[in-house]
Amino acid sequence: QVQLQESGPGLVKPSETLSLKCSISGDSLRGSYWSWVRQAPGRGLEWIGYLSSYGSSNFDVSVRSRATITGDTSKSQVSLTLSSVTAADTAVYYCARHADGYNFSPLDYWGQGILVTVAS
Amino acid sequence: SYELTQPPSVSVSPGQTARITCSGDALPKQDTYWYQQKPGQAPVLVIYKDSGRPSGIPERFSGSSSGTRVTLTISGVQAEDEADYYCQAADSSGTYYVFGSGTKVTVL
Repeated sequence: QVQLQESGPGLVKPSETLSLKCSISGDSLRGSYWSWVRQAPGRGLEWIGYLSSYGSSNFDVSVRSRATITGDTSKSQVSLTLSSVTAADTAVYYCARHADGYNFSPLDYWGQGILVTVAS
Repeated sequence: SYELTQPPSVSVSPGQTARITCSGDALPKQDTYWYQQKPGQAPVLVIYKDSGRPSGIPERFSGSSSGTRVTLTISGVQAEDEADYYCQAADSSGTYYVFGSGTKVTVL
């Protein structure tokens, strides 16, 4: 059974960098693609980007200049960093696994999500 | 940027059929997925590749597609189906993943 667990600070100051980790169990980091998805309070789902099984990444145009997704195979973790955050980045952040090992396959396993608030 | 359009809300009585649409220019070319999200919970995949149903998803959930529109159908709606539903697909160039705006299903 695949399990994902997000972790990181729940409060980030404006203009600083948001850093989150997703710990993976039950699957190999290099065996799948992994996405980050966020949801602002009361709003819909927003895809942020993915890390491929080859180690490359792709991002939504709205965050491309500020986002980085990396993987640590030794720790079985996927990390998201988002720089120069504003209040608009306040959201629940989810990591999720792509089911079929390619970029636009469905997201079949999700973490429980972590709320990150951007405020001073 | 590419958008997938869903109705904001659908209301249905128990036992009736709910239909949720998702429209987008790239949908004839791209597989579409549907997720169910209940308050305070992570999304759950309920339909993949337009009409496939993952293991554990009740048979009352089905999907179909026609041109630039895909439809999630919930037959014999139950109270537990009250949730937000999102469609997801790639854009026409196969570059970006996009979620629809979401549809709140209310069971009367």
